[in-house]
Amino acid sequence: GESVGLHLPTLSVQEGDNSIINCAYSNSASDYFIWYKQESGKGPQFIIDIRSNMDKRQGQRVTVLLNKTVKHLSLQIAATQPGDSAVYFCAENNAGNMLTFGGGTRLMVKP
Amino acid sequence: NAGVTQTPKFQVLKTGQSMTLQCAQDMNHNSMYWYRQDPGMGLRLIYYSASEGTTDKGEVPNGYNVSRLNKREFSLRLESAAPSQTSVYFCASQEGLATVEQFFGPGTRLTVL
Repeated sequence: GESVGLHLPTLSVQEGDNSIINCAYSNSASDYFIWYKQESGKGPQFIIDIRSNMDKRQGQRVTVLLNKTVKHLSLQIAATQPGDSAVYFCAENNAGNMLTFGGGTRLMVKP
Repeated sequence: NAGVTQTPKFQVLKTGQSMTLQCAQDMNHNSMYWYRQDPGMGLRLIYYSASEGTTDKGEVPNGYNVSRLNKREFSLRLESAAPSQTSVYFCASQEGLATVEQFFGPGTRLTVL
């Protein structure tokens, strides 16, 4: 069936470095993709979305890249901070705004 | 605004017991969702309500029922709990089909013994 997945389950980076979190998807009919951040014991928090007709979108310290040719999505976090430590999920929409979530990757920021 | 609230925060049930998880949002959103999250995994959609008065099955609806009580409230009921339903349950709301952001509640951690 259709699925959204992540290449790396855990990513450890030094504070101040840039982080890149990757995601592969298989549903080429999705209209948009979303990145969520989940801190321990909390619900997911929306970070940024990208429409399927876009290649790149920038937010505050974050950039999402979409490569439809290879069905790949990435989240880049600039100047990673300790507060960025969390689990990050990519998700793709299906009919009726139903979301399919990937398995998540844990970002650990070393001081 | 409180956003999305869920009660209870924690619950322990015995196999076969029933319970209802409550969810409310104060953002006047049209759509509401129930997800479950198992350890080390992403969220899976149980049921959703695109608008008041409608409900639809998601990816994993078996063993659950929902009620969209009004625009603010969307409850999830387990009629006969099973250990396989041990999970963290998240409720979310969304303004409408034209928007993309879903706002999540803090979750309910349910253990079924």
